[in-house]
Amino acid sequence: KAGVTQTPRYLIKTRGQQVTLSCSPISGHRSVSWYQQTPGQGLQFLFEYFSETQRNKGNFPGRFSGRQFSNSRSEMNVSTLELGDSALYLCASSLAGGESSYNEQFFGPGTRLTVL
Amino acid sequence: DAKTTQPPSMDCAEGRAANLPCNHSTISGNEYVYWYRQIHSQGPQYIIHGLKNNETNEMASLIITEDRKSSTLILPHATLRDTAVYYCIVRAPWANQAGTALIFGKGTTLSVSS
Repeated sequence: KAGVTQTPRYLIKTRGQQVTLSCSPISGHRSVSWYQQTPGQGLQFLFEYFSETQRNKGNFPGRFSGRQFSNSRSEMNVSTLELGDSALYLCASSLAGGESSYNEQFFGPGTRLTVL
Repeated sequence: DAKTTQPPSMDCAEGRAANLPCNHSTISGNEYVYWYRQIHSQGPQYIIHGLKNNETNEMASLIITEDRKSSTLILPHATLRDTAVYYCIVRAPWANQAGTALIFGKGTTLSVSS
């Protein structure tokens, strides 16, 4: 079974631009979560989508948004990029239908975003 | 905020057992203990989880104290490839109103040397 895939793997943008990152979950997984990892703040939860609906959101400004499509693929968007948005953005998928007895999340390799 | 406390770093000789402790004194009755690890610049990888009994899989063993306030992840024969940041996380196993979010702390950086 293919793992979680994220595209692109590397991205360079300048301040003020916007960016869209993509995540394809493991087949059959309905939940997609996004995380930001920086050296200073570590791994921080951004938001989670389940059945095309945002189920939970972390403490990030409105410039960070996302969506999920009917095939469970997800995109996240960051508008008006700031230098501090430079980070590794990780996507994770899980069954998470509420029926599973444990909530193992499978992470993708991440997208490394650099804002200049 | 993370509900766990881990030492920032540990060293281990290759071939020896690595014992990584985690304190979770405020764990609730329905929360499990999960362990993930992150090898440099890769996405975190699930290792093992447990509720109150000791658990073992092909990667590691998890020992949870009887009062469930702490646990230890054991890598029985550490190799150089086990060098990573190890995260201990507590949460309910099912999706709840908060979804499936994992709250990561700083983790423990395990360095395995030959």
